[in-house]
Amino acid sequence: DAKTTQPPSMDCAEGRAANLPCNHSTISGNEYVYWYRQIHSQGPQYIIHGLKNNETNEMASLIITEDRKSSTLILPHATLRDTAVYYCIVRPPYNQGGKLIFGQGTELSVKP
Amino acid sequence: DAGVIQSPRHEVTEMGQEVTLRCKPISGHDYLFWYRQTMMRGLELLIYFNNNVPIDDSGMPEDRFSAKMPNASFSTLKIQPSEPRDSAVYFCASSRQGATGNTIYFGEGSWLTVV
Repeated sequence: DAKTTQPPSMDCAEGRAANLPCNHSTISGNEYVYWYRQIHSQGPQYIIHGLKNNETNEMASLIITEDRKSSTLILPHATLRDTAVYYCIVRPPYNQGGKLIFGQGTELSVKP
Repeated sequence: DAGVIQSPRHEVTEMGQEVTLRCKPISGHDYLFWYRQTMMRGLELLIYFNNNVPIDDSGMPEDRFSAKMPNASFSTLKIQPSEPRDSAVYFCASSRQGATGNTIYFGEGSWLTVV
């Protein structure tokens, strides 16, 4: 079972920041927070992951709360091509299985 | 790097026929995963391998499904006999174990329709 809760859908205006929330109140100390997205008819695409600290890469920023019970994925300047389903996933380390278990995700619609 | 390569991309088959889906993971990756996606159930993990050995097959729906990984560069998912409810997109993914968490890379999927 997925260990995360996400809103089913969100809208964002093109050029604005998209902030996608995720609750993971039962996360364990050694579990990572991963974000993937899936554009229609394509395979899931890795975005970013983190353990405790905030992370940033060329695609997005990940903000994890101090108690690690929630996180926010930030797309700083959303474009129409960012329209996709975004999955927040809590993943154990490999020595405890390391499986990615997907929930229902958030369907983000970026509008002109 | 070519990424995870799956074949066929699309397959339409008749109920009762055997279906074989193929996957070539990214070179150097030691984990391989098979997922299935449907509208009703979303993305489900079927089975995964580490160093060619099946580690967890608890997601395999029933005995009609089998998966093998004869070597580090090739895996198959077989359905025999196929049924209409097996219609779905099947994704293969791979990753490499590391110290700080690992990215799983997905292929583009095999779209299966059983009529």
